[in-house]
Amino acid sequence: EVQLVQSGAEVKKPGESLKISCKGSGNNFNNYWIAWVRQMPGKGLEWIGIIYPGDSETRYSPSFQGQVTISADKSITTAFLQWSSLKASDTATYYCTRQTRTAPYYFDYWGQGSLVIVSS
Amino acid sequence: SYELTQPPSVSVSPGQTARITCFGDKLGNKYVFWYQQKPGQSPVVVIHEDTERPSGVPERISGSNFGNTATLTISGTQALDEADYYCQAWDGNTAVFGGGTKLTVL
Repeated sequence: EVQLVQSGAEVKKPGESLKISCKGSGNNFNNYWIAWVRQMPGKGLEWIGIIYPGDSETRYSPSFQGQVTISADKSITTAFLQWSSLKASDTATYYCTRQTRTAPYYFDYWGQGSLVIVSS
Repeated sequence: SYELTQPPSVSVSPGQTARITCFGDKLGNKYVFWYQQKPGQSPVVVIHEDTERPSGVPERISGSNFGNTATLTISGTQALDEADYYCQAWDGNTAVFGGGTKLTVL
């Protein structure tokens, strides 16, 4: 069974750094693209970017390029999303999700979400 | 950048048909995917490739995509269908989501 298990809730102050994780189980995690999606409180879904853990090829939405860093460690079948300097506007729930292997691509498995609260 | 526009809310009586639209320029030339999200839960895909239902999704949920508008149709709407629904398409290598529609079953 495919599972994406995300790290727990975080409360941070503006300017602090943060790295959240998404650990995959099941076959062939490293052969699927893993995306990150933001959902601000009471708002909709926003696609941040995507990574292929097999070779760490990464693509970002223009809206998030330079604001976050997506990475992966294939040895532990885990993808990461990180910030070097958090802002209050980064407060949101962040989901990781697996993209299907064949086109047309969509997101078939989702993590449970990681709540990030940034407040002074 | 490409945009998908959904109505913020749709209301329907139990047993009636709910239609949720998603508008985008020449959207009919792209594949559209629909996700259902219930409060406190992660999204779940309910329609892929415009019209295809994943296993486990009831037949009363269907999709279409023509011209500039994709439509998610829920026939015989039930209380358990009350949720937020998001359309999604691709703009090159970037996934784009609609703003979401809150379906209320009155």
